[in-house]
Amino acid sequence: SQTIHQWPATLVQPVGSPLSLECTVEGTSNPNLYWYRQAAGRGLQLLFYSVGIGQISSEVPQNLSASRPQDRQFILSSKKLLLSDSGFYLCACYQQGGYGYTFGSGTRLTVV
Amino acid sequence: KNQVEQSPQSLIILEGKNCTLQCNYTVSPFSNLRWYKQDTGRGPVSLTIMTFSENTKSNGRYTATLDADTKQSSLHITASQLSDSASYICVVRSGTYKYIFGTGTRLKVLA
Repeated sequence: SQTIHQWPATLVQPVGSPLSLECTVEGTSNPNLYWYRQAAGRGLQLLFYSVGIGQISSEVPQNLSASRPQDRQFILSSKKLLLSDSGFYLCACYQQGGYGYTFGSGTRLTVV
Repeated sequence: KNQVEQSPQSLIILEGKNCTLQCNYTVSPFSNLRWYKQDTGRGPVSLTIMTFSENTKSNGRYTATLDADTKQSSLHITASQLSDSASYICVVRSGTYKYIFGTGTRLKVLA
């Protein structure tokens, strides 16, 4: 079955600093990959999804960007963090053929 | 507008009791519906997945129902345990890539 590795688990960054969150997937190939954000007490908001290397779709305009340099690697970035970027970021993977939709363990980002 | 609404927002029950969580959706096109359990500070874990033609699906003490006509789903937890304390999230898949998440029900089971 597929496994998602996401790091770091927690991160505290000052306003205006850059961001790079990494997500890698094992046990599958050519997955659909997703970045979600979960603000405190709120539901999950889809930020980006990718159906292949170099292909990124953005769901909402924001201060963040995503890249997929390899089939099983998905990166969430920002050049300058805002206070409103604080939240819990989840990477997810969808693979056809029975494995379904799997989430990473999440990164809690606090922008100070 | 595609929406998934869950109720109640939060729920407190005593260990050993049963409870039912509700999910109403207005999503089109509908592909499937999943219930996830999310422990605090962790990623969600899938409990059940239901397609349009399925009415009931069980996973241990968890039983999900789906009424595609009324666009409602429920998650019933039997004989609750302390470890059931978590957020339960209803997610509806629309088309191939789009997933609409409910805001979740926060369940606390007390000894």
